[in-house]
Amino acid sequence: QKEVEQNSGPLSVPEGAIASLNCTYSDRGSQSFFWYRQYSGKSPELIMSIYSNGDKEDGRFTAQLNKASQYVSLLIRDSQPSDSATYLCAVRFNNDMRFGAGTRLTVKP
Amino acid sequence: GAGVSQSPSNKVTEKGKDVELRCDPISGHTALYWYRQSLGQGLEFLIYFQGNSAPDKSGLPSDRFSAERTGGSVSTLTIQRTQQEDSAVYLCASSLVVPPDTQYFGPGTRLTVL
Repeated sequence: QKEVEQNSGPLSVPEGAIASLNCTYSDRGSQSFFWYRQYSGKSPELIMSIYSNGDKEDGRFTAQLNKASQYVSLLIRDSQPSDSATYLCAVRFNNDMRFGAGTRLTVKP
Repeated sequence: GAGVSQSPSNKVTEKGKDVELRCDPISGHTALYWYRQSLGQGLEFLIYFQGNSAPDKSGLPSDRFSAERTGGSVSTLTIQRTQQEDSAVYLCASSLVVPPDTQYFGPGTRLTVL
């Protein structure tokens, strides 16, 4: 069984701080990695995708991938109350896409 | 262009009735996924279609659940003899199969079984 693990949270950070979200996966051959944001009552929407080891930055978001450690993370700099949501990690191996249970983030003003 | 669409947006049914949920993927996306999400829970994989290949049905929770995809585009998820535990949001997603292989989600169908 291919597993994707995330801390369920809740993770609470003050406005302006850095939020760090972590994800581990079990299948070493996994090829594609994604972070989705899901607001309550809404569908998941893509934040970042990453395919190779290292960091990938997009605005306030940085995804980090370490395939040797089977670890992918998402950093949110200058966190805003509007970032409060559940963040889902997703991992693809061939045709198989698996999601973690999500980490609930609250950014307090 | 248009995103993934799903219908109906809400469905209330009585226990024991059959329901059909529809998904229209993004044009050109050969991969289509169905997920179920119960309140406050993560995404539960149900079924995956890719082109003309046999679907991956490994996530279907029981034989009351079935799905088809006609012409490589529209998909229908059917739940027979619905039970209260089937109440959830059913999400459809589509993607390409090579990078960028991001899944794009539809708005979901909220199913309530009374």
